[in-house]
Amino acid sequence: GENVEQHPSTLSVQEGDSAVIKCTYSDSASNYFPWYKQELGKRPQLIIDIRSNVGEKKDQRIAVTLNKTAKHFSLHITETQPEDSAVYFCAASSSYQLIWGAGTKLIIKP
Amino acid sequence: IAGITQAPTSQILAAGRRMTLRCTQDMRHNAMYWYRQDLGLGLRLIHYSNTAGTTGKGEVPDGYSVSRANTDDFPLTLASAVPSQTSVYFCASSEQGGVYNEQFFGPGTRLTVL
Repeated sequence: GENVEQHPSTLSVQEGDSAVIKCTYSDSASNYFPWYKQELGKRPQLIIDIRSNVGEKKDQRIAVTLNKTAKHFSLHITETQPEDSAVYFCAASSSYQLIWGAGTKLIIKP
Repeated sequence: IAGITQAPTSQILAAGRRMTLRCTQDMRHNAMYWYRQDLGLGLRLIHYSNTAGTTGKGEVPDGYSVSRANTDDFPLTLASAVPSQTSVYFCASSEQGGVYNEQFFGPGTRLTVL
């Protein structure tokens, strides 16, 4: 079955710098890759997603890139702000469900 | 009600007891899901329902059961709770079943089994 690995588990960046979170997946049939953001004590919320027929997708300061050959996809956040502090989860489609990464805690240092 | 709600917010339960976690949505979404969230393991799907009257097993279904009698409600039952079921439980819904639809999460239920 599908296995999703997410790195790093914790990422600390200076405010204004960029942050990159990477996920790898095992099932070559996976074709949908969403990213969810979970602020402390809150529920996860979708921030961006990408399908396998697209290599990159951007939405303001966030972007996701997909490398199907290498089976990895990454979340890029530019010009980080305090409100970006959260746990970020990647996921990959597998048949009828999403398989989730373990999460990355992003800390924005003032 | 606005969106998706869960009850209770938190619960401490003795091992061996039966417990039902409630989930209700008012978005008329067809699909609903139950996840457990454990530190270092992310979200794992327990059970799902693509439409009222149908349910399916997720990645970690053992020890849990669900029912979907109507569109709005999707209760999760632990028949005989064990300490390994200590977790934060999230209910979610999406407009349709399948993986391509955005999932909207409830606020979560923190369950501790002693």
